[in-house]
Amino acid sequence: SAVISQKPSRDICQRGTSLTIQCQVDSQVTMMFWYRQQPGQSLTLIATANQGSEATYESGFVIDKFPISRPNLTFSTLTVSNMSPEDSSIYLCSVVGRGLAGGSTGELFFGEGSRLTVL
Amino acid sequence: AQSVTQLGSHVSVSEGALVLLRCNYSSSVPPYLFWYVQYPNQGLQLLLKYTSAATLVKGINGFEAEFKKSETSFHLTKPSAHMSDAAEYFCAVKLTGRRALTFGSGTRLQVQP
Repeated sequence: SAVISQKPSRDICQRGTSLTIQCQVDSQVTMMFWYRQQPGQSLTLIATANQGSEATYESGFVIDKFPISRPNLTFSTLTVSNMSPEDSSIYLCSVVGRGLAGGSTGELFFGEGSRLTVL
Repeated sequence: AQSVTQLGSHVSVSEGALVLLRCNYSSSVPPYLFWYVQYPNQGLQLLLKYTSAATLVKGINGFEAEFKKSETSFHLTKPSAHMSDAAEYFCAVKLTGRRALTFGSGTRLQVQP
């Protein structure tokens, strides 16, 4: 398993501002994933963050709106830029599980999420 | 494209009753399938996963799921519901060649006393 810490756990933001969410993992991982969960909805993948390269964004998400940093193998940040009320969501960081031999176990482990409310 | 469909956005059962949450996947190749639970104001927790081994998968908290290729289903069951089972449940699939998971729309389980 992996222990994932996210900060902030929740925040209330003003329209037009930006907020950076931090994700810290207790082990080195190649890929980190950022998901969005809008109120009452399922999870939608925003992007995949690899250390040493630019993040890969899913359809409908762009780097200018959701810039991502991945400075090392245990840390990533997601910025939600120029926020509007439609950005009010839970943002979740996740990583792939690793077995004892180091191979992928397939499942994802998630942080507790960062709940953003934009007024 | 592979995806998952969860039938029923809300399911309500009585305490002690059978829990059945439905998930169907669309794929010609047996995929990796997962069930996650999300308690209020918390992240997602893995309940169980299917990875082409045994078709009946046992998970945590008394839950299990059966992979049925003929029905392209991976329904989640629990023989006797507890009040503490009230939560949102998500079925997810691992697409071929990808590490990220694709999630179903979720089913909110209510347990009535």
